[in-house]
Amino acid sequence: GEDVEQSLFLSVREGDSSVINCTYTDSSSTYLYWYKQEPGAGLQLLTYIFSNMDMKQDQRLTVLLNKKDKHLSLRIADTQTGDSAIYFCAADNYGQNFVFGPGTRLSVLP
Amino acid sequence: DSGVTQTPKHLITATGQRVTLRCSPRSGDLSVYWYQQSLDQGLQFLIQYYNGEERAKGNILERFSAQQFPDLHSELNLSSLELGDSALYFCASSAQGGGTNTGELFFGEGSRLTVL
Repeated sequence: GEDVEQSLFLSVREGDSSVINCTYTDSSSTYLYWYKQEPGAGLQLLTYIFSNMDMKQDQRLTVLLNKKDKHLSLRIADTQTGDSAIYFCAADNYGQNFVFGPGTRLSVLP
Repeated sequence: DSGVTQTPKHLITATGQRVTLRCSPRSGDLSVYWYQQSLDQGLQFLIQYYNGEERAKGNILERFSAQQFPDLHSELNLSSLELGDSALYFCASSAQGGGTNTGELFFGEGSRLTVL
């Protein structure tokens, strides 16, 4: 089955860019997602990308997809302290077989 | 507010006991998913229901069971509880589960279970 991997921790300084990386194994994944979990809360969808796209930009967020290497990244420009959270990469196949990565804990230092 | 409601928010119980967690999905969503989040295991998929029927099963223990009712709410039953079952249990819903569109999941705030 699908396996999604992420690095577990990332620290950046306020104002810098953050890049969170993710790899997946199932080449038939159709959608790839980034979810954010703030302390004490459930997961909330940040953005997603369809597998036939290479890049998607949404304000401070840029998602890059390398389908050949099965690598997904999330770049957060001008990272703020409010961006401190756990970021989960996830993949599915037309709404089925939804698999989450372990989550990357982003710490933003002042 | 995601529109997904989970009760109770917190639950403290003893080993060997049985608890039921409840989830009301977003209005109109047919799929309900249950996840367990613990510090050492991350977010583990337990089970998915679509319109009342079991659609997919993950790492759900035999001591755990779930169902989705005709009004689409779902319950997760945890029995013979052990210390290791202490975790945050999330319910999520989506409109899809067998469809052709993105299956964005909407998460509830979770039920925190503590087993003493």
